[in-house]
Amino acid sequence: EVQLVQSGAEVKKPGESLRISCKGSGYSFTSYWISWVRQMPGKGLEWMGRIDPSDSYTNYSPSFQGHVTISADKSISTAYLQWSSLKASDTAMYYCARHPYSYGSPFDYWGQGTLVTVSS
Amino acid sequence: QSALTQPRSVSGSPGQSVTISCTGTSSDVGGYNYVSWYQQHPGKAPKLMIYDVSKRPSGVPDRFSGSKSGNTASLTISGLQAEDEADYYCCSYAGSYTPVVFGGGTKLTVL
Repeated sequence: EVQLVQSGAEVKKPGESLRISCKGSGYSFTSYWISWVRQMPGKGLEWMGRIDPSDSYTNYSPSFQGHVTISADKSISTAYLQWSSLKASDTAMYYCARHPYSYGSPFDYWGQGTLVTVSS
Repeated sequence: QSALTQPRSVSGSPGQSVTISCTGTSSDVGGYNYVSWYQQHPGKAPKLMIYDVSKRPSGVPDRFSGSKSGNTASLTISGLQAEDEADYYCCSYAGSYTPVVFGGGTKLTVL
């Protein structure tokens, strides 16, 4: 069974750093992209960027480039999303999702989401 | 890359059909046959309902169908059921630089 299991909810203060994770199982982790998607409270889905776990090549949305870092450790089938200095506006639910290596491939499996709350 | 345009809300009675539109540009929806649709119930992760404009993943009821004309894609749900009440998001390939763009989402209410 394909599963993407994300790390638990986080409560942080502005300026703190954070790394959340997404562990894949039930499939070949290095055969699919992993993307990260943000959903701010009461708002829609926003694509942040993706990583090819086989070589850690990344692709970011211009809206998120420079604000977050996406990485992966293929030895433990885990992708990461990290911030070096959180802001209150980073408060959101973050989803990871996998998609095949092809143009326009859909997100066929999603993680359960990680809620990040940034508040002083 | 701007988000794709969807109506904020649509509604229908059980058994009826509803259509949700998703308007983009020739750089995304109109340029590729890579439109997908996702259903999201409150507090849950999105679920893939349609991909490549009109293909259904295994397990998705055939009440859900997709189409595209020009720069506008559409999701049609026929024979509405109470469990179809959810938010729906369209998504399109938008080129190699920013490969993914989502719509703003549509809240479907089953009356």
